[in-house]
Amino acid sequence: QKEVEQDPGPLSVPEGAIVSLNCTYSNSAFQYFMWYRQYSRKGPELLMYTYSSGNKEDGRFTAQVDKSSKYISLFIRDSQPSDSATYLCAMSEGAQKLVFGQGTRLTINP
Amino acid sequence: DGGITQSPKYLFRKEGQNVTLSCEQNLNHDAMYWYRQDPGQGLRLIYYSQIVNDFQKGDIAEGYSVSREKKESFPLTVTSAQKNPTAFYLCASSISTDTGELFFGEGSRLTVL
Repeated sequence: QKEVEQDPGPLSVPEGAIVSLNCTYSNSAFQYFMWYRQYSRKGPELLMYTYSSGNKEDGRFTAQVDKSSKYISLFIRDSQPSDSATYLCAMSEGAQKLVFGQGTRLTINP
Repeated sequence: DGGITQSPKYLFRKEGQNVTLSCEQNLNHDAMYWYRQDPGQGLRLIYYSQIVNDFQKGDIAEGYSVSREKKESFPLTVTSAQKNPTAFYLCASSISTDTGELFFGEGSRLTVL
């Protein structure tokens, strides 16, 4: 069993839809939870960062962490074609032990 | 502009040759990392360095080597001992080794013919 599981997709939704991306994990010691966005042939960029459990909102993006269920989510509201990318969840006890999910490839159709 | 510069972007090499990928950062970050990305496998840590003249093996260090002689620079050498070197290589840095907030370069695509 992988330490972090993420459905690789691909996921295709119409413009304006609400998108839900999810990861599950097995290591209860993870404290830091991140979502990275990666455009094709580019390096990932940090999108959302959450410490421990709870919600965090930034514009159209909301990150949720449920440590009791070992489950994290990223919601994208009013999705735009520019949101089309691969979304990677990542989690850690510390940066040197960052563990990434496989990434979910998302396409927003105009 | 502050950031991480990786070069070259694309590299082709024959089997059995060593290649060195460059990574330079001007963010004044102490920690630097090398990841490998393969389709369907996410990112896997090759090496990381928390301070100049010190580095640690990651999960897949076999067949790779690094050096950290300057704070700004963390080159990765893919040696002939790496059995499957064709991949997308990503360099990253972080201001803190506690949180996992990484800043990535744009990557180097290595193809071994």
